[in-house]
Amino acid sequence: DAGVIQSPRHEVTEMGQEVTLRCKPISGHNSLFWYRQTMMRGLELLIYFNNNVPIDDSGMPEDRFSAKMPNASFSTLKIQPSEPRDSAVYFCASSLQGNSPLHFGNGTRLTVT
Amino acid sequence: SQQGEEDPQALSIQEGENATMNCSYKTSINNLQWYRQNSGRGLVHLILIRSNEREKHSGRLRVTLDTSKKSSSLLITASRAADTASYFCATDTGTASKLTFGTGTRLQVML
Repeated sequence: DAGVIQSPRHEVTEMGQEVTLRCKPISGHNSLFWYRQTMMRGLELLIYFNNNVPIDDSGMPEDRFSAKMPNASFSTLKIQPSEPRDSAVYFCASSLQGNSPLHFGNGTRLTVT
Repeated sequence: SQQGEEDPQALSIQEGENATMNCSYKTSINNLQWYRQNSGRGLVHLILIRSNEREKHSGRLRVTLDTSKKSSSLLITASRAADTASYFCATDTGTASKLTFGTGTRLQVML
């Protein structure tokens, strides 16, 4: 089992640029989560998919953020345009169903200058 | 807002000693989970305790849950240097499958 795979591991971009983060969940898992982790705010849930359908996106900060899950094995989180305050580590996690234990990827460290 | 608050924020102990971390939360829960995060890595699930359980063991880990006090504790016995990490509690309130993480305890185990 390869676990949850995220890419890239690090992303450095300039303010105003578009950023796309990618996630491959564990095969057979029905739920996928995007979290953001910062020192100030801790770990925040951004959006949650079940069976590829967005269930709760109330944590998405604003319209600059969007997430898609076109199939069971792939999801993207896009920020357009990016701002310095978006700098954080973004984690993708998957689970068999709902909040059964989450399996996290190793995250994407985003730096927006 | 954070559902869970861990205490202490940081803990430093000698190898072989026991480490106890506490988590307090605000609303009723279905279950409470503990996760470990090593530096630069994702969170790893350690143990889940349901709201109708009071204590659970897994290897050197012991978790207790007191729903009347809305609190949980994680005990790591006979700590090792490899236990050095941040530990988070996460609460499942059963509402829209939101798993809310606490602020974490940074544990350092010294040789």
